[in-house]
Amino acid sequence: EAQVTQNPRYLITVTGKKLTVTCSQNMNHEYMSWYRQDPGLGLRQIYYSMNVEVTDKGDVPEGYKVSRKEKRNFPLILESPSPNQTSLYFCASSFSWNGETQYFGPGTRLLVL
Amino acid sequence: QQQVKQSPQSLIVQKGGISIINCAYENTAFDYFPWYQQFPGKGPALLIAIRPDVSEKKEGRFTISFNKSAKQFSLHIMDSQPGDSATYFCAASIRTSGSRLTFGEGTQLTVNP
Repeated sequence: EAQVTQNPRYLITVTGKKLTVTCSQNMNHEYMSWYRQDPGLGLRQIYYSMNVEVTDKGDVPEGYKVSRKEKRNFPLILESPSPNQTSLYFCASSFSWNGETQYFGPGTRLLVL
Repeated sequence: QQQVKQSPQSLIVQKGGISIINCAYENTAFDYFPWYQQFPGKGPALLIAIRPDVSEKKEGRFTISFNKSAKQFSLHIMDSQPGDSATYFCAASIRTSGSRLTFGEGTQLTVNP
């Protein structure tokens, strides 16, 4: 089944404790992206990647890191999480960098205490 | 700064009625306008999309109306059903800029039986 998977789905952590949220897609998509969803703000892009080893900042990149060493994986790293990073995170992918349909993962709900 | 503004924030419609959600954008370089549908606990999924060279696109009960001069577009759901109850996001992107979607704030639609 073609899909985008994220792990973990739920995470509670404390301020400053490094964490990684994994994202994997099995559709051989070139483009991958991370969004955060907050009430009243919609979804905002954190980072995106047009292909392996090519990443760039989105609209809200502060406090996040990403890497794209393999085409299928695009992990999101929070080196020192803070409470303002409490949010619902979505990974998405599309066939190409100018692909129009983005396929979203199921989301990861993060609480930073 | 929200480049895509969406209204209303929430909407309650009776079964069989018409649901209308509106979006306005600022950046005239946007050339792709999708609508995403999100059910609780799920990631957003593409519902319907339009390009600015047409004023309307219809897919089943869902229609996008697009007004380029007013920089506005809207989603109409005809014969609304309880199964349509979800959060709807409008979005916009510049296709040559790498699939970067700018989302509206979202509309929570409830269709009562």
